[in-house]
Amino acid sequence: GENVEQHPSTLSVQEGDSAVIKCTYSDSASNYFPWYKQELGKRPQLIIDIRSNVGEKKDQRIAVTLNKTAKHFSLHITETQPEDSAVYFCAANDYKLSFGAGTTVTVRA
Amino acid sequence: NAGVTQTPKFQVLKTGQSMTLQCAQDMNHEYMSWYRQDPGMGLRLIHYSVGAGITDQGEVPNGYNVSRSTTEDFPLRLLSAAPSQTSVYFCASSPDAAGNTIYFGEGSWLTVV
Repeated sequence: GENVEQHPSTLSVQEGDSAVIKCTYSDSASNYFPWYKQELGKRPQLIIDIRSNVGEKKDQRIAVTLNKTAKHFSLHITETQPEDSAVYFCAANDYKLSFGAGTTVTVRA
Repeated sequence: NAGVTQTPKFQVLKTGQSMTLQCAQDMNHEYMSWYRQDPGMGLRLIHYSVGAGITDQGEVPNGYNVSRSTTEDFPLRLLSAAPSQTSVYFCASSPDAAGNTIYFGEGSWLTVV
């Protein structure tokens, strides 16, 4: 089955700086790569996703890149704000969605 | 439109007891799944279903049963609760398994003592 690895496990950034989270996956058949944000005590919420026929996707301050050859994809958050503090999960879909272990992002004011 | 509804939100069980976590969705989604979330381990897939009458095992199925008699409902049964099953459980649904947005329920916090 699919194995998703996510790094780093924790990330502390100064407000206004950028944050980058990286994930790798094992199954070349995976074709859908979503990112979820989870605040404390809440359910995971989709923030952006990318499909295997696209290399990059951007939505305001959030962007995701995908390298299918290397089997890795990354989340980029620019101009970070305190409300970006949360746990972020990457995932890969090879018919069932497998998640990385999560990255706890803390934005320092 | 309620989305994905899970009950109960909180539950304390004694070791050896059985219980059912309920999950219902009103979006006519074919794909439903159950995840458990433990600190530092992300979300791990327990069981999933691609349609009524069809279920399959995920990454951590032991100690859990599921059924899918209707499109709307996907209950998760703990057969004989163990402390290792203390976790937060999320039900999720999607239009299909082919790579569509998955919508999560609000979660069920289960403690086994």
